[in-house]
Amino acid sequence: AQSVTQLDSQVPVFEEAPVELRCNYSSSVSVYLFWYVQYPNQGLQLLLKYLSGSTLVKGINGFEAEFNKSQTSFHLRKPSVHISDTAEYFCAVSVRGFKTIFGAGTRLFVKA
Amino acid sequence: NAGVTQTPKFQVLKTGQSMTLQCAQDMNHNSMYWYRQDPGMGLRLIYYSASEGTTDKGEVPNGYNVSRLNKREFSLRLESAAPSQTSVYFCASSETGSEQFFGPGTRLTVL
Repeated sequence: AQSVTQLDSQVPVFEEAPVELRCNYSSSVSVYLFWYVQYPNQGLQLLLKYLSGSTLVKGINGFEAEFNKSQTSFHLRKPSVHISDTAEYFCAVSVRGFKTIFGAGTRLFVKA
Repeated sequence: NAGVTQTPKFQVLKTGQSMTLQCAQDMNHNSMYWYRQDPGMGLRLIYYSASEGTTDKGEVPNGYNVSRLNKREFSLRLESAAPSQTSVYFCASSETGSEQFFGPGTRLTVL
């Protein structure tokens, strides 16, 4: 069975500082990996995805993530955050099908 | 395109009452899903439908039923609501193996 662990439930950071949100997964087979963002009182929307190919994936709003197969990680990074990045971020894994497992979420709080 | 729409946005029920949450998508996706979101638990899959005419249980199906009415619509029914079903419910759709597109959610309170 697959599982996803987001290592931090909350991450406070000052505006214009870099941030990394950590995600580890477990699976015995190849997976697709996703990061979603949820702004207050909204549904989730896709930030970026890894299906195959280059392990460095760039997404919307300046975010990027790196797939590390040996460490089974897919950490999300942004070099300089804005107040508007305050949201909850979810890592997710799918085994080349339609069932997706979501992590518990990391709440990013950007302070002025 | 509206994407994924859900109705209602908010609902308050008394224990034992029933209701149906409606979901529709206009992206011609084959797969549709119902999730519940509770604090600190991420999203948990209630039911999914891989294609029109098929439905399967997810991680937390007890107390719920679903209907895939056609390719566009996927409804979730609570036959006898319980306080433990107080949650935010999200519908999503996707092509198989790809990213999911989410609706805005329904915030349900069961008293």
